[in-house]
Amino acid sequence: DGGITQSPKYLFRKEGQNVTLSCEQNLNHDAMYWYRQDPGQGLRLIYYSQIVNDFQKGDIAEGYSVSREKKESFPLTVTSAQKNPTAFYLCASKPAGLSYNEQFFGPGTRLTVL
Amino acid sequence: GQQVMQIPQYQHVQEGEDFTTYCNSSTTLSNIQWYKQRPGGHPVFLIQLVKSGEVKKQKRLTFQFGEAKKNSSLHITATQTTDVGTYFCVYNQGGKLIFGQGTELSVKP
Repeated sequence: DGGITQSPKYLFRKEGQNVTLSCEQNLNHDAMYWYRQDPGQGLRLIYYSQIVNDFQKGDIAEGYSVSREKKESFPLTVTSAQKNPTAFYLCASKPAGLSYNEQFFGPGTRLTVL
Repeated sequence: GQQVMQIPQYQHVQEGEDFTTYCNSSTTLSNIQWYKQRPGGHPVFLIQLVKSGEVKKQKRLTFQFGEAKKNSSLHITATQTTDVGTYFCVYNQGGKLIFGQGTELSVKP
């Protein structure tokens, strides 16, 4: 099956701990994205990567870090510097090119920091 | 910078009633997409509009892109309980896809 996987579905962490959320895709997409969604809110862009070994900050990058060492993988680390990390995190991917905009989303990870 | 406002934020309808959500931009958009997110789920792509004045239909859903490419709408005819969810308009800003705030639709059977 082709698609995007995110694991785990639910994640609990203690305050002050870093946590890494995984995102893997086998769609051969060049571009990958991380979004954060708070209850009743839209999606806000954290980081995105349009090609391997390159990524850019989105609108709310503070307190987060990413890497893109492989085309298939785009892990997101929520650091202790993120002041309000509890949220629903969504990863997405799409083929390269500005004219093709359909993003494919993973099922998301609900992170709760206690 | 470019901003997109989506209204209304919430809409409650009786099953069988129509529903419309609007997306308005302060500047001209190159294209616009619409996504649907079911409760507890992830956004799913519905459609992309590119041309000025474009109208596309998917069964009971009608999508429009304004003549000036500054606004768009999604209209659902005769809503069903399966239409429940949040509908987002999305636009491309230099490689980033920016989501509107969304319209949450609830349908009373």
